[in-house]
Amino acid sequence: DAGVIQSPRHEVTEMGQEVTLRCKPISGHNSLFWYRQTMMRGLELLIYFNNNVPIDDSGMPEDRFSAKMPNASFSTLKIQPSEPRDSAVYFCASSRRAPQLQPQHFGDGTRLSIL
Amino acid sequence: KQEVTQIPAALSVPEGENLVLNCSFTDSAIYNLQWFRQDPGKGLTSLLLIQSSQREQTSGRLNASLDKSSGRSTLYIAASQPGDSATYLCAVGLSNDYKLSFGAGTTVTVRA
Repeated sequence: DAGVIQSPRHEVTEMGQEVTLRCKPISGHNSLFWYRQTMMRGLELLIYFNNNVPIDDSGMPEDRFSAKMPNASFSTLKIQPSEPRDSAVYFCASSRRAPQLQPQHFGDGTRLSIL
Repeated sequence: KQEVTQIPAALSVPEGENLVLNCSFTDSAIYNLQWFRQDPGKGLTSLLLIQSSQREQTSGRLNASLDKSSGRSTLYIAASQPGDSATYLCAVGLSNDYKLSFGAGTTVTVRA
């Protein structure tokens, strides 16, 4: 079991630039979650996919944020244009069939710094 | 809105002492409760998941209890080791809802 794989691990970029975060969920998991973690707000759910379909994106902060899941093994979270307040650790997590019953497995995160 | 609180925010104990971590939640209509461990610079690792119909779950030195009526869960770690040093988060899953409400975590340091 390779675990949830995220890339890049660290990203430093200037304000206004486009940022793309990538996630490969665990094979066989059909639920995927994007979270953001900050000291001030803790862990926040940004968006949830089930079977590659976005189910709930109510946590996406603004139109500058977008997420896609073109297939069962890949998802992206894009920020365009980026702002300093987007600096945080972004986690991707996946789980099997019934997320309420199965633990979510987290990747190691992408630490994003917007200058 | 479900509020999840973990007190204390930080805890330091000598090796060998038993750890008791607390989690409280405001809405007792939960579906399940999970305890996670987070190491610095890493993601969350699921430790234990307790369904709402269960009172406790055990895995090795770890035992988690759930009291829905009082809105509390406790994670016990027996005979702590320096390798147990990490941040422990509890997360509550609401009925018919995939969303987890996370506590802010308790950062544990086990001194050798």
